[in-house]
Amino acid sequence: GAVVSQHPSWVICKSGTSVKIECRSLDFQATTMFWYRQFPKQSLMLMATSNEGSKATYEQGVEKDKFLINHASLTLSTLTVTSAHPEDSSFYICSAPSSGPLGQYFGPGTRLTVT
Amino acid sequence: GENVEQHPSTLSVQEGDSAVIKCTYSDSASNYFPWYKQELGKGPQLIIDIRSNVGEKKDQRIAVTLNKTAKHFSLHITETQPEDSAVYFCAASPLINYGQNFVFGPGTRLSVLP
Repeated sequence: GAVVSQHPSWVICKSGTSVKIECRSLDFQATTMFWYRQFPKQSLMLMATSNEGSKATYEQGVEKDKFLINHASLTLSTLTVTSAHPEDSSFYICSAPSSGPLGQYFGPGTRLTVT
Repeated sequence: GENVEQHPSTLSVQEGDSAVIKCTYSDSASNYFPWYKQELGKGPQLIIDIRSNVGEKKDQRIAVTLNKTAKHFSLHITETQPEDSAVYFCAASPLINYGQNFVFGPGTRLSVLP
């Protein structure tokens, strides 16, 4: 099946710094990728939809200036958490739809801890 | 918009027993229903899915049933094994199109006791 990778798998940063998370589709092209945030023991909450060649679409309540998304190519989307605070600590997961009409393949996730 | 509920939130079964997780959805336009398994510290993995034109689908020990009239669908795991222990998420999607996002249920934490 299709493979989606994320880097890094975990990161610890200090409050006020920025962190970049990469999401790559390894064996297929993805003009769309999704970014989710998952707090402990909770479900996946969609943050934004990343579109190659155009601006990302953010869900209500998600600050686009804080969570910068860049879909640089057909296989790479990045999420940058700017001026991170402890409340941004979470598990960030990306996904990409398959080339067919069904299916959504998830990355392994990135655990962000802001101290 | 779509709202997906999932029950139970936690489920413990003895190894070898069956486990059933139920989900309901609100948008009658939803017509694709995947189930994902998430192990600790990992991303969700698709385990089975069903489209609205099918009432039941089975893959070895896993099956999904759909009642479109009642707007609910269920995951059935038979002969459970310790490696089935994980969090399971159901989801619903109103369109079968490229790039369509899913609405996820809150998840069920399944524990299979040896």
